[in-house]
Amino acid sequence: DADVTQTPRNRITKTGKRIMLECSQTKGHDRMYWYRQDPGLGLRLIYYSFDVKDINKGEISDGYSVSRQAQAKFSLSLESAIPNQTALYFCATSDQTSGGSTDTQYFGPGTRLTVL
Amino acid sequence: EDQVTQSPEALRLQEGESSSLNCSYTVSGLRGLFWYRQDPGKGPEFLFTLYSAGEEKEKERLKATLTKKESFLHITAPKPEDSATYLCATSNFGNEKLTFGTGTRLTIIP
Repeated sequence: DADVTQTPRNRITKTGKRIMLECSQTKGHDRMYWYRQDPGLGLRLIYYSFDVKDINKGEISDGYSVSRQAQAKFSLSLESAIPNQTALYFCATSDQTSGGSTDTQYFGPGTRLTVL
Repeated sequence: EDQVTQSPEALRLQEGESSSLNCSYTVSGLRGLFWYRQDPGKGPEFLFTLYSAGEEKEKERLKATLTKKESFLHITAPKPEDSATYLCATSNFGNEKLTFGTGTRLTIIP
């Protein structure tokens, strides 16, 4: 079974609709991240969470919100979707409990979101 | 602001033709440099982390090296299954977040 799972894998929605993307992990990591990927722009950080009570904005948080329901679950919401939020969305996790010697992030399979 | 630039954007090689991908970075206090492989429609797959200039790591046909300004991903005698986009990222001691380059799309022709 995959260590980091994302649901749904594909979603088509209409402008103005509320959308939630979910991420679950079995790696036991404390840190979780949400990124979007657009052609030619690379991966950009939307939000990140270092533990259940710690939520931080990334470089492109406008139009998005998140919820860390448990150590293993981190959800991304688009309150009112717009076409320029069409992208690939990735969840990632990392473990800082082992002395902070690595920032290695492990990614989920992604969600392809299309906003019409 | 941290910057990561990868070159070339795309590279086509014949099977068995060795080459290198470049990742240039400007980071205030490099904590780590990361290489990932990404197949179309899939999430990035972790390959290597390098921490200090002079460090090298190898995995099968791939070898990553690091200097104070750039990293190279050397691919030796590549096979078609090595075709993918290779991403480079850095983290610094200030914010512990990753800054990604836009990737090099590698195609190996049989």
